[in-house]
Amino acid sequence: SQELEQSPQSLIVQEGKNLTINCTSSKTLYGLYWYKQKYGEGLIFLMMLQKGGEEKSHEKITAKLDEKKQQSSLHITASQPSHAGIYLCGAVKPSGAGSYQLTFGKGTKLSVIP
Amino acid sequence: EPEVTQTPSHQVTQMGQEVILRCVPISNHLYFYWYRQILGQKVEFLVSFYNNEISEKSEIFDDQFSVERPDGSNFTLKIRSTKLEDSAMYFCASKGTSGGVGEQYFGPGTRLTVT
Repeated sequence: SQELEQSPQSLIVQEGKNLTINCTSSKTLYGLYWYKQKYGEGLIFLMMLQKGGEEKSHEKITAKLDEKKQQSSLHITASQPSHAGIYLCGAVKPSGAGSYQLTFGKGTKLSVIP
Repeated sequence: EPEVTQTPSHQVTQMGQEVILRCVPISNHLYFYWYRQILGQKVEFLVSFYNNEISEKSEIFDDQFSVERPDGSNFTLKIRSTKLEDSAMYFCASKGTSGGVGEQYFGPGTRLTVT
């Protein structure tokens, strides 16, 4: 089965600092999702990557998928307290009939100190 | 912006009781999912549903679980006889109209507490 390892497990940064979260897969990724979760709440979709070398940005968050499609990184520039939360990466596993399931990593807990 | 909604936000039930968790997916979506997250653990896939039938289910989704789309808008997860270990956050998700990889949107979750 596909395993996703996220690092670091937790991260505390000063507001304004840049940070990077990594997600490494034991198998080649068919697709990779990034979500943000606030404690006890739902998952907010951030970005989806499918192609090797692909990079997407939204506001101050950039996600990349390496050429081999086994590692993804999420980079936040000039972090703000609103970026605090748990960041989850999810690997796509096709399940037929156009559907698929997501297998998630354990998450990276980000705290941003004002 | 369209969103997935779930009710109730929190459900407390006694062991052995039946519970039904409800979800309203985004209106034009055709693919539906249930996931769960036990406190402090990973989000885990339970079941996917398309064209009024289960596409795939995980080992967690045993005979105690069932899903239904009773009226074309709601998507429900039923647990027939709850156990203590069913206590978790349950998330519904939906995906658009085309097959393949696409954005999968999650609801805010229902926290189920089994006592």
